[in-house]
Amino acid sequence: DGGITQSPKYLFRKEGQNVTLSCEQNLNHDAMYWYRQDPGQGLRLIYYSQIVNDFQKGDIAEGYSVSREKKESFPLTVTSAQKNPTAFYLCASSMFSGVNNEQFFGPGTRLTVL
Amino acid sequence: GNSVTQMEGPVTLSEEAFLTINCTYTATGYPSLFWYVQYPGEGLQLLLKATKADDKGSNKGFEATYRKETTSFHLEKGSVQVSDSAVYFCALSPGGSEKLVFGKGTKLTVNP
Repeated sequence: DGGITQSPKYLFRKEGQNVTLSCEQNLNHDAMYWYRQDPGQGLRLIYYSQIVNDFQKGDIAEGYSVSREKKESFPLTVTSAQKNPTAFYLCASSMFSGVNNEQFFGPGTRLTVL
Repeated sequence: GNSVTQMEGPVTLSEEAFLTINCTYTATGYPSLFWYVQYPGEGLQLLLKATKADDKGSNKGFEATYRKETTSFHLEKGSVQVSDSAVYFCALSPGGSEKLVFGKGTKLTVNP
């Protein structure tokens, strides 16, 4: 089955620790995205990548970092610099076409800072 | 800039009631428009889409028409079911862009 997997589903972190969220896709999509979802605020874009070894900041990139060493993988690191990291994190992917951009989403990771 | 405004929720309906969730947008160029649905504890799934003015997207009994003159993309369903309970997001993709801009979401609860 083609799709996007995120792991873990639930993640707990102590303050001051960095943590990495995994996102893998086998859809052969060029572009991948990370969103943060908070209650009542919809989805906000953290980072996105259109091709391997290249990525751009989204609207709320501060305190986060990413890498794109393989087409299939786009891990997100939540650093200790992120002031309020508790949230639901969603990864998505799409073909890089420039038009009709349908994004496919993973099941999400819920991060809780203790 | 680009933005999406959805009606505030939550929306509570009885089974078989008619559903409308309003969505209006502001965009440069000619955006594509989307409705996504999120069931509790899950990621988002594409519900329907429209890529140009007057297009109607439809899926699972839901419909939305791309109205350029009113910059709207309202979601409708003639008869909702308990299984339609979810959060619905309206989104746009600006012309030539890979990014999506989302509304804040509308939570729908359908009671038996």
